[in-house]
Amino acid sequence: GENVEQHPSTLSVQEGDSAVIKCTYSDSASNYFPWYKQELGKRPQLIIDIRSNVGEKKDQRIAVTLNKTAKHFSLHITETQPEDSAVYFCAASSGGGADGLTFGKGTHLIIQP
Amino acid sequence: NAGVTQTPKFQVLKTGQSMTLQCAQDMNHNSMYWYRQDPGMGLRLIYYSASEGTTDKGEVPNGYNVSRLNKREFSLRLESAAPSQTSVYFCASGLIDTQYFGPGTRLTVL
Repeated sequence: GENVEQHPSTLSVQEGDSAVIKCTYSDSASNYFPWYKQELGKRPQLIIDIRSNVGEKKDQRIAVTLNKTAKHFSLHITETQPEDSAVYFCAASSGGGADGLTFGKGTHLIIQP
Repeated sequence: NAGVTQTPKFQVLKTGQSMTLQCAQDMNHNSMYWYRQDPGMGLRLIYYSASEGTTDKGEVPNGYNVSRLNKREFSLRLESAAPSQTSVYFCASGLIDTQYFGPGTRLTVL
């Protein structure tokens, strides 16, 4: 089955700086890669996703890049703000999409004032 | 439009007791999922239902059963709860591959 590795487990950045979280996946059939943000005690919320026919996608301060050859994808957050502090999860979907997501173990992003 | 709802929010069980976690969605999604979240482990798929009338095992199905009651509802049953099933349980629903999560049920098994 699919295996998703996520790094780093904790990331501390100064407010206003950029943050980058990286994930690798094992199944070359995976074709959908979402990112979720989870605040303490809350549900995971989808913040951006990318499909395998696209190399990069951007939504305001958030961008995701995908390298299919190397089987890795990354989340980039620019101009970080205190409200960006949360745990971020990457995930991958293989086998058609409707059969569930395989998640990384999460990155705790801390924005230092 | 409530999205994905789950009941109960919190539950404490004794070892060996049974219970059913309920999930409902009003987004007309075909697929529904149950995940568990443990500290440092991310979310792991327990069972899923790609469409009404079908269910399949995920990564960690042992000790659980599911029922897709209709298109809206997908329940998760613990027949004989064990301390290892202490976790936060999230239900999700989705269209093709994009998934949206419910608020979660925090379950403690003593």
